[in-house]
Amino acid sequence: AQSVTQLGSHVSVSEGALVLLRCNYSSSVPPYLFWYVQYPNQGLQLLLKYTSAATLVKGINGFEAEFKKSETSFHLTKPSAHMSDAAEYFCAVSGRYGGSQGNLIFGKGTKLSVKP
Amino acid sequence: NAGVTQTPKFQVLKTGQSMTLQCAQDMNHNSMYWYRQDPGMGLRLIYYSASEGTTDKGEVPNGYNVSRLNKREFSLRLESAAPSQTSVYFCASSVSENTEAFFGQGTRLTVV
Repeated sequence: AQSVTQLGSHVSVSEGALVLLRCNYSSSVPPYLFWYVQYPNQGLQLLLKYTSAATLVKGINGFEAEFKKSETSFHLTKPSAHMSDAAEYFCAVSGRYGGSQGNLIFGKGTKLSVKP
Repeated sequence: NAGVTQTPKFQVLKTGQSMTLQCAQDMNHNSMYWYRQDPGMGLRLIYYSASEGTTDKGEVPNGYNVSRLNKREFSLRLESAAPSQTSVYFCASSVSENTEAFFGQGTRLTVV
């Protein structure tokens, strides 16, 4: 069964610094992978998705993620953090790729704080 | 575009009371989901409906029932609320299984 591990429940960076949020997945078949962002008291918004077309995926708000099969990773990065990036970020993997039933399996989330 | 609409946004229940959380999507999606979000636990799937007329249990279905009323609407019912069901509930929909899901704004439920 697929699963997702997000390393670090809290990450703090200074404004202008690199953002790196880590996600590792376990899957027996090539997965679909997603990053979502959740601002306080709101629902989840899709940042970007990997569906095997390209290993480097660009998303909204300047974020990108690289799929590395050899490392089973899909880390999220942004070159320069803004105060508005402070939120909780969730990595997700498709539940059963190509199967008759499926849904997204989420990691436990990483809360990003941005210091001025 | 409304997207995924959940009602109510907030609710306080007494232990043993029942209620139904409503969800509707206007994106013509086939699949719909109910998740609960608890601190440090991420999102856990309660029930999902791969297509109209079908429903399946997720990771944490105990104490809940669902109805896929039509293609647009997917409701979640708590028959006898318990304090352990205090949580934020999210409805989501997707074109099909394993594709990106679109989320509602959530229902914050407190059971006292």
